[in-house]
Amino acid sequence: GQSLEQPSEVTAVEGAIVQINCTYQTSGFYGLSWYQQHDGGAPTFLSYNALDGLEETGRFSSFLSRSDSYGYLLLQELQMKDSASYFCAVRDGYKLIFGSGTRLLVRP
Amino acid sequence: GAVVSQHPSRVICKSGTSVKIECRSLDFQATTMFWYRQFPKQSLMLMATSNEGSKATYEQGVEKDKFLINHASLTLSTLTVTSAHPEDSSFYICSARTQGSNYEQYFGPGTRLTVT
Repeated sequence: GQSLEQPSEVTAVEGAIVQINCTYQTSGFYGLSWYQQHDGGAPTFLSYNALDGLEETGRFSSFLSRSDSYGYLLLQELQMKDSASYFCAVRDGYKLIFGSGTRLLVRP
Repeated sequence: GAVVSQHPSRVICKSGTSVKIECRSLDFQATTMFWYRQFPKQSLMLMATSNEGSKATYEQGVEKDKFLINHASLTLSTLTVTSAHPEDSSFYICSARTQGSNYEQYFGPGTRLTVT
């Protein structure tokens, strides 16, 4: 089977740093992506890791360890607008298999 | 660039009727389009993958006769929910990729379907 596990909810204060973990078990693996989705909106691409290590894009960083089937998204200098759902997704060929999603609530 | 639109954004239909949802790539040619369904507070579940000019590939458990997908051109794919029932009420999202892209998918804004 295919499964991606994420924490269901995370709460943090404005300006803080938060890490959202993702563990996966899939039949195929080309890389791990992260998407942000605000309520009622479309998923927007944040980052992609095909190889082990850390990728940094502004306030967001993503890490992958293929040997551990594990990755995380790190959000720094949290802002209120970062309150949203965050999904990890495994790329299996051209398909994306999404995790269960993590709702992040940023408090003042 | 890489904008995907969907129409309609919201639709309400009566049980037993059919409804068509359009997905368009506005500024690029989409060789492959994907259709997802998302129930409230849940993940996106891939329903099917469609390549221009060929039949769609459905994921396990998705009824191909109920969810008809057509990808007649490089900029348009349609999803028709036939004989809709209340349990089909969901958020339907399409995405598209271009040939030669780095596997990136560009998502449409979604269509909220409510079946009464």
